[in-house]
Order: sequence, then structure tokens, then C-alpha cells
Amino acid sequence: KNEVEQSPQNLTAQEGEFITINCSYSVGISALHWLQQHPGGGIVSLFMLSSGKKKHGRLIATINIQEKHSSLHITASHPRDSAVYICAVRYNTDKLIFGTGTRLQVFP
Amino acid sequence: KAGVTQTPRYLIKTRGQQVTLSCSPISGHRSVSWYQQTPGQGLQFLFEYFSETQRNKGNFPGRFSGRQFSNSRSEMNVSTLELGDSALYLCASSFGPLGDTEAFFGQGTRLTVV
Repeated sequence: KNEVEQSPQNLTAQEGEFITINCSYSVGISALHWLQQHPGGGIVSLFMLSSGKKKHGRLIATINIQEKHSSLHITASHPRDSAVYICAVRYNTDKLIFGTGTRLQVFP
Repeated sequence: KAGVTQTPRYLIKTRGQQVTLSCSPISGHRSVSWYQQTPGQGLQFLFEYFSETQRNKGNFPGRFSGRQFSNSRSEMNVSTLELGDSALYLCASSFGPLGDTEAFFGQGTRLTVV
């Protein structure tokens, strides 16, 4: 069983919609990362969180340590946001464990 | 400044051969970590090097090995290639140890084993 669960697995949206992607993990972590992967493979690190909330442009990431849950929000979605979004957590073993990813398609 | 550079971008090898992949981190970064991505297993951590020392290793057989040089460049080697080793291999660099600071990923090396 994957120690990091993401939902939904696939998501389609119309341009302008508000999008939420969820990530849950099983035990205490020291950090959580949100990554974006476009077709072709390149990965971009969006956020690294250990508590609270971070915002960058139209992207917002939150983490609730007590509930072992993080969300990635995209406001005013755009077709260029179409990508796979991956949650990764760092447990005390220092290894990064990845979720299975959420494939997002935003249509004009 | 230049990003993380992985070479080669594409590679085709035959079963039983060995392969070496290279990763040049962002200047000043001391941590390099490697990952394997396959359609079936998703992204999996291979290992991390920090200041020329392996800090962590994922659950991969001993055929997978790596090293880091004094200039922080890292190489990953896979010996006795199997068909299942076909994957996208990604490396990431960070200033501090993996997880403590933001990681920057390369474009990956797509390895096909035939």
C-alpha cells in the first residue's frame, strides 16, 4: 500500500475553474513537496511545506499536520496548468516517498 | 543560473549491458538524488548523495549504484540491464540534504532496454 495517497487520480476542468488536489500520508513527516510534471518528463518543484500555507501566483498549498493531509489549489485554472501533480513526503528515514500523481487537464 | 543537466536524454541498451547516467547539479548544490519513474510503479527514490557520501538508498537491487564527485556531479550506474529497467531516470539537486531544502529536477534520461 502506497504510504502517500493522492486524489483524484484524474481531473478535468474548464479554464477558469478552481481546482483542488489532495494528498494524505500515514505517519508524521518532516516535509511535504508538491511537484509538477509536464509531458516529456521534466519535473518542477512547486512547494515544500512543513506547516501552514504557501502561495505562489495562482497556486496555493496547505498542510494540516494533525490530519496528515495537504491540498494543492489552483485558482483561475488555465490550459497551461495541464500536467501531472505529484505529492512527495519526507519521513524521518530521510527518503522521499511519492504519491501516484494526479493528472490534470484544463480545457479552454 | 544553469539548471540541473542530465545526460544523455535518451538511451537504448540491450539486456545484460550496463549503463552510466550523468547528472550535473546546479552550481553550489551539494545534494544529488536519483529517481526511477515507470508507468507501473510511479516515481521511486533510488539514492541520495551529499558531499560525495551516499546518505540514503531506496529499495533497489545492488545492480543500481551511484557516486558523487568532488564537484558534486553524480553518476548512476545500472549493471546487467533487465527489460524492467526501462524507465525515466530523474535526478534532483538541492543545496542542503534532500528534504531540508527545495529540490530542482533535471529533464531526465529515458532508458529503453531491448
